Amino acid sequence: GDSVTQMEGPVTLSEEAFLTINCTYTATGYPSLFWYVQYPGEGLQLLLKATKADDKGSNKGFEATYRKETTSFHLEKGSVQVSDSAVYFCALSDSGAGSYQLTFGKGTKLSVIP
Amino acid sequence: GAGVSQSPRYKVAKRGQDVALRCDPISGHVSLFWYQQALGQGPEFLTYFQNEAQLDKSGLPSDRFFAERPEGSVSTLKIQRTQQEDSAVYLCASSLGYGMNTEAFFGQGTRLTVV
Repeated sequence: GDSVTQMEGPVTLSEEAFLTINCTYTATGYPSLFWYVQYPGEGLQLLLKATKADDKGSNKGFEATYRKETTSFHLEKGSVQVSDSAVYFCALSDSGAGSYQLTFGKGTKLSVIP
Repeated sequence: GAGVSQSPRYKVAKRGQDVALRCDPISGHVSLFWYQQALGQGPEFLTYFQNEAQLDKSGLPSDRFFAERPEGSVSTLKIQRTQQEDSAVYLCASSLGYGMNTEAFFGQGTRLTVV
């Protein structure tokens, strides 16, 4: 079945540091890939997405590139801020399995300290 | 309202009790999803509605779980005879289009604790 594996946290960085959160996936079809973010006390929010190989999703300074050859969708940001502290979830929606559901990774908690 | 609203935010149930969790989606959203998120895990799909039709219930863990959306707007997730393993955050999401073709907006969830 489909699965998403992302690096375990927690991750603690100083402000302005470079961020990478690794995400790899297995899927039966040709999935769309997503990063969701959950800020403290709030619901999950879509951060960015990519629907086909080599697409780059970007939002709020975050980027991720859909790499079919390595089945990866790593999240990056060049300079993190304290306000980026949150839990980040990598997810996929597999067209082969019906596009009704998202399969999520376990989440990576990021803390950014001043 | 502006977003997906879930109630109650917190629910404590004694083992064996029945519970009902409510989801008010964004007005006009066709699709509605329920997910279960155990502590330290990512959300797991439970069921999907397109308007009032339940098109996918493959993620419901047992026949104690039942969901409905009778008028194509508000949805209720019911859990009968709750067990300790049902303790989790239950998330509802809605989207304007069909399936995952448009962005899904999530509510803050209902945290269920079974004691």
